[in-house]
Amino acid sequence: AQTVTQSQPEMSVQEAETVTLSCTYDTSESNYYLFWYKQPPSRQMILVIRQEAYKQQNATENRFSVNFQKAAKSFSLKISDSQLGDTAMYFCAFVSGGGADGLTFGKGTHLIIQP
Amino acid sequence: EAGVVQSPRYKIIEKKQPVAFWCNPISGHNTLYWYRQNLGQGPELLIRYENEEAVDDSQLPKDRFSAERLKGVDSTLKIQPAELGDSAVYLCASSLDSGNWKTQYFGPGTRLLVL
Repeated sequence: AQTVTQSQPEMSVQEAETVTLSCTYDTSESNYYLFWYKQPPSRQMILVIRQEAYKQQNATENRFSVNFQKAAKSFSLKISDSQLGDTAMYFCAFVSGGGADGLTFGKGTHLIIQP
Repeated sequence: EAGVVQSPRYKIIEKKQPVAFWCNPISGHNTLYWYRQNLGQGPELLIRYENEEAVDDSQLPKDRFSAERLKGVDSTLKIQPAELGDSAVYLCASSLDSGNWKTQYFGPGTRLLVL
């Protein structure tokens, strides 16, 4: 079974700073996909960024980028120029193979952006 | 395009009472998921549907939980009877079967409190 570990329960940074959230995972599969989801206090889970394991190039989406280290089974999220609206729970998630299975989530990191 | 719709948003019941949650996925999405999110945790898969077929219900507590997806569109998740430990947020997600992988889009969730 796959496991996803987020070792930072909470992080706090000042607005406009850069912050990196950590995620490690454990799997014996070679084909899989990784995601970062954001869950603001309203509880709507929103996709932030995704990464295919077979792609060596790290995914980027505007201010969000990942550092995918397949051999180390590490998948960190970097948020540049952080904004107050980035305050939320961030979940790292894994899905194997064709991507149809249920996601395996970490416990989340509560990110607080201070004004 | 409308997102995943769930109702009710909140539900408070007494233990041993029945409760039902409803989900309408994004139009055209053939895969539907139900997750349970306990306080301070990431979501955990309860059941996955491909069209109207439940293809993964291994984590669904079948003694008290049931689910259905009529005509491969809307889905209902039921608990009968509810227990105190069922208090959680129940999330519905859907995805489209296209390409090599699927991104899951989440609804706002139903927050259940069992007294």
